[in-house]
Amino acid sequence: DIVMTQTPLSLSVTPGQPASISCKSSQSLLHSDGKTYLYWYLQKPGQPPQLLIYEVSNRFSGVPDRFSGSGSGTDFTLKISRVEAEDVGVYYCMQSIQLQVTFGQGTKLEIK
Amino acid sequence: EVQLVQSGAEVKKPGESLKISCKGSGYSFTSYWIGWVRQMPGKGLEWMGIIYPGDSDTRYSPSFQGQVTISADKSISTAYLQWSSLKASDTAMYYCARHDYGDYGMDVWGQGTTVTVSS
Repeated sequence: DIVMTQTPLSLSVTPGQPASISCKSSQSLLHSDGKTYLYWYLQKPGQPPQLLIYEVSNRFSGVPDRFSGSGSGTDFTLKISRVEAEDVGVYYCMQSIQLQVTFGQGTKLEIK
Repeated sequence: EVQLVQSGAEVKKPGESLKISCKGSGYSFTSYWIGWVRQMPGKGLEWMGIIYPGDSDTRYSPSFQGQVTISADKSISTAYLQWSSLKASDTAMYYCARHDYGDYGMDVWGQGTTVTVSS
């Protein structure tokens, strides 16, 4: 299995300030088709996860542009440029390079 | 509207069997994988396995192989997750999600089904 390691596991951010979450995979997520199978999800309290970012850096439909993803190979980052109250929840990275999916442990974001 | 609607909450006793469902609508059900994800109380997301309803190709996480069975009935656009003998440790929320492999990943999620196993 590919292991996904997120840091930090929790962070507390003042509204309007930036936030950053790191995700490292135990193997490269670059597929022979040229795509990198790394995704970011947000699970708000009491809700199912929702897709934020697909293939490292592409925002999903309706996702605000304050969310951005970057990285390559085994090292990836999710950034929120200016945190808002509605961004609270748990953020997960996910890989699906061989249809054997694994998630990171999750990073809990709270508002100060 | 693309959506996945899951069956309702279940309360079962250890040793009982269970089959929960996930019905897709608003898209071609046979053209996308459907994955299942477990979330134990207060814990993170665990991928269980995936099925392609078009040909019933099924893959399991090693952690769940032999513990559950994933199936689908494409005639009614429904995927299933079943247990033959539940344990207390199966108590969790279970989500299904459409998996657009090669593009968006798990882009549409069901609302979740809570399974409680208690004597």
